[in-house]
Amino acid sequence: SQELEQSPQSLIVQEGKNLTINCTSSKTLYGLYWYKQKYGEGLIFLMMLQKGGEEKSHEKITAKLDEKKQQSSLHITASQPSHAGIYLCGADLDDKIIFGKGTRLHILP
Amino acid sequence: KAGVTQTPRYLIKTRGQQVTLSCSPISGHRSVSWYQQTPGQGLQFLFEYFSETQRNKGNFPGRFSGRQFSNSRSEMNVSTLELGDSALYLCASSSLRTENTEAFFGQGTRLTVV
Repeated sequence: SQELEQSPQSLIVQEGKNLTINCTSSKTLYGLYWYKQKYGEGLIFLMMLQKGGEEKSHEKITAKLDEKKQQSSLHITASQPSHAGIYLCGADLDDKIIFGKGTRLHILP
Repeated sequence: KAGVTQTPRYLIKTRGQQVTLSCSPISGHRSVSWYQQTPGQGLQFLFEYFSETQRNKGNFPGRFSGRQFSNSRSEMNVSTLELGDSALYLCASSSLRTENTEAFFGQGTRLTVV
């Protein structure tokens, strides 16, 4: 069963606009990972969140893990064409990382 | 420091054949995990090796197997290939595979079964 739900599945955003991607778990998250993937390529590690309320930023991408540790959001400010791709959240479960199905992000020039 | 290297990048095989994929982790990393990615199922965990031992296994048939060598390089093998095995196979490298340990992925091997 799918234990990580990502929303939206797909997102089309005008360049320069902000956007948010969500990742929700049915269980408490003890380690939450965000990755980015270009079509047909490997996953690029973005950041890892561990503590409830934790927030991390890298360039124009900010991710947060809520206090209850069951939801994470990834926010991109002033989106650029280089942000286009598939964003995947992953979580530690039974000594392995399981993944959501991803959010496909398109940036319109 | 070199990243995770997967070879080959692309493969085309015929149904019934077998295939071996290779993954060289980041130097010093001892854990290698394998995933299968398809449009319908997303990323599915295959198995994980640590210090030459399989520590964890996903829900895949016995046709999928793997091993890890003393230098931490890992191979996965798929026997009696089926059309449904067409996918992007990714490996991830970690220093340890415990909670809250960063995992770094290779570029993947695109397998097409015809």
